Amino acid sequence: NAGVTQTPKFQVLKTGQSMTLQCAQDMNHNSMYWYRQDPGMGLRLIYYSASEGTTDKGEVPNGYNVSRLNKREFSLRLESAAPSQTSVYFCASSDPTTDTQYFGPGTRLTVL
Amino acid sequence: TQLLEQSPQFLSIQEGENLTVYCNSSSVFSSLQWYRQEPGEGPVLLVTVVTGGEVKKLKRLTFQFGDARKDSSLHITAAQPGDTGLYLCAGPHNNDYKLSFGAGTTVTVRA
Repeated sequence: NAGVTQTPKFQVLKTGQSMTLQCAQDMNHNSMYWYRQDPGMGLRLIYYSASEGTTDKGEVPNGYNVSRLNKREFSLRLESAAPSQTSVYFCASSDPTTDTQYFGPGTRLTVL
Repeated sequence: TQLLEQSPQFLSIQEGENLTVYCNSSSVFSSLQWYRQEPGEGPVLLVTVVTGGEVKKLKRLTFQFGDARKDSSLHITAAQPGDTGLYLCAGPHNNDYKLSFGAGTTVTVRA
């Protein structure tokens, strides 16, 4: 099993450009999440999806949008990138019986 | 402010030494999880503690959940370079399935 996969692994954008980060899981989990990780601040939840067709804002949703395309895929879109969005982005899915979250390898995004 | 405070922020020790990292909160948690994150990768779950006062052991790692379920600790005995990584604690807030994460402790074990 691949678990949680993310693309791309690295990305450099200029201020104002847009991009979509892709995430897919093959564990048949209902819940999926997008986090950003910044030095000294741990993982902060951007958006989450409790099930296919539903999405909700997390702690830091401003500047982002998400789409839960189907049960497997959950994408994160930056419409107009800003330098403050330079970060490492992680997608995760969770096992409802144990609340264990399974993380992808991350996308390292730099906005110039 | 973080819901879960981890200390210390950084820890560098020699191979063979012991270390303890802490995770504290003013809130009660139904459970706490510990994850380890290696450079360039996503966090991976090490253990979940559920019962106040619970102690769990995974080889050289010992996890403890405080009696009041507001804090937890991770103790590593005879640390090895392979223990190097970022250790994160996390817990469900307000009985929600979403997790709140601490900022983490970066552990470096020198050979």
